[in-house]
Amino acid sequence: QSALTQPASVSGSPGQSITISCTGTNSDVGNSNYVSWYQQHPGKAPKLIIYDVTNRPSGVSSRFSGSKSGNTASLTISGLQAEDEADYYCNSYESTSAYWVFGGGTKLTVL
Amino acid sequence: QMQLVESGGDLVKPGGSLRLSCAASGFTFSDYHMSWIRQAPGKGLEWISYISSSGYTDSAESVKGRFTISRDNAKSSLYLQMDSLRAEDTAVYFCVRIMVGDYFDLWGRGTLVTVSS
Repeated sequence: QSALTQPASVSGSPGQSITISCTGTNSDVGNSNYVSWYQQHPGKAPKLIIYDVTNRPSGVSSRFSGSKSGNTASLTISGLQAEDEADYYCNSYESTSAYWVFGGGTKLTVL
Repeated sequence: QMQLVESGGDLVKPGGSLRLSCAASGFTFSDYHMSWIRQAPGKGLEWISYISSSGYTDSAESVKGRFTISRDNAKSSLYLQMDSLRAEDTAVYFCVRIMVGDYFDLWGRGTLVTVSS
């Protein structure tokens, strides 16, 4: 299965907002309400931060938000904090092959 | 608290076999679909295998015919039988719970599988 496309890296200063894009096709992101986002710190397991495109699990900061337009989903982090420095992965269910596909990951650096 | 704990990772030679286990606790394991997801060193996440609460299974093309997912609801355990291992199977393997809505809400810490001669 083909991976979703994410930028390899993004950066921002504390307090700023950043957006990470996740581009797929009309077989996955464009045809799915099941886009999710995961945060992974070095040496740790991924953590769910957004599900069903826009929803936040209990305990996840409201600074994290998700959206989708056409074949592209986006994760926005507002009020950047040092602890947000991590890798971020998007994920979608792919209806044609009945697989889950991940983005290649985006490394967020907080300057 | 809810947790998943993987075990069984090891160094194995190409062509060899390995069985991974995942022990679930803190929730009713039999109610949930489960998956294995892997991450090669320095690389991204790759979904590889799925099992429904009732036992239906599916796998990614990259492991189909070589890896077999199974579960024992009585033991709250998930398994991954890995045969004909290749160097490219080297990765950390995560046991993951699936929520309705097809997202992965609970992850284990992972177990490292290294395939090398």
